[in-house]
Amino acid sequence: GQNIDQPTEMTATEGAIVQINCTYQTSGFNGLFWYQQHAGEAPTFLSYNVLDGLEEKGRFSSFLSRSKGYSYLLLKELQMKDSASYLCAVLTGGGNKLTFGTGTQLKVEL
Amino acid sequence: ETGVTQTPRHLVMGMTNKKSLKCEQHLGHNAMYWYKQSAKKPLELMFVYSLEERVENNSVPSRFSPECPNSSHLFLHLHTLQPEDSALYLCASSQDTISGGNEQFFGPGTRLTVL
Repeated sequence: GQNIDQPTEMTATEGAIVQINCTYQTSGFNGLFWYQQHAGEAPTFLSYNVLDGLEEKGRFSSFLSRSKGYSYLLLKELQMKDSASYLCAVLTGGGNKLTFGTGTQLKVEL
Repeated sequence: ETGVTQTPRHLVMGMTNKKSLKCEQHLGHNAMYWYKQSAKKPLELMFVYSLEERVENNSVPSRFSPECPNSSHLFLHLHTLQPEDSALYLCASSQDTISGGNEQFFGPGTRLTVL
């Protein structure tokens, strides 16, 4: 089966940096997505990693280590609007099976 | 209309009813998806369509029946549902399928309640 683990909740301070980890044990691997979901809204795409290393996109960066089954999402210069759930999802099965973690609820405080 | 739209936004139905959810994308994308989001559970990918062909069915019960008449429209036909099927049903689209890491754009969802 597929197993994806993320912390349930995290709290951080405005202006700070936070790292949200995701570990996975899956049958096969075709890539890893991160999504952001604000309460009551649909998810929005943040990043996709398929090769090892760091992908940077503005204040958000995503890292992947395939050998360790590990990814993280790094958020810099936190803003109040970054308070949301962050979903890690792994692509398997030839590329069209997407399995999600339960999400990490991030709360940004003053 | 822009982006991905879904109708209705809210639906209440009995277990013996038949209803359909509609999704329309105005982005010129080739791939469309249905997701289920239940409280306290991970988001679940139900169906994947590419160029109107179903390319993935993630062990979804037959009481959920998808239909993709063209690359802009996606339906989810519902019949004899169970109370545990109550959830937010999200539609999404992407330029090509997620197998290439394509960015998905989600609709606002239909909140379904089965009595």
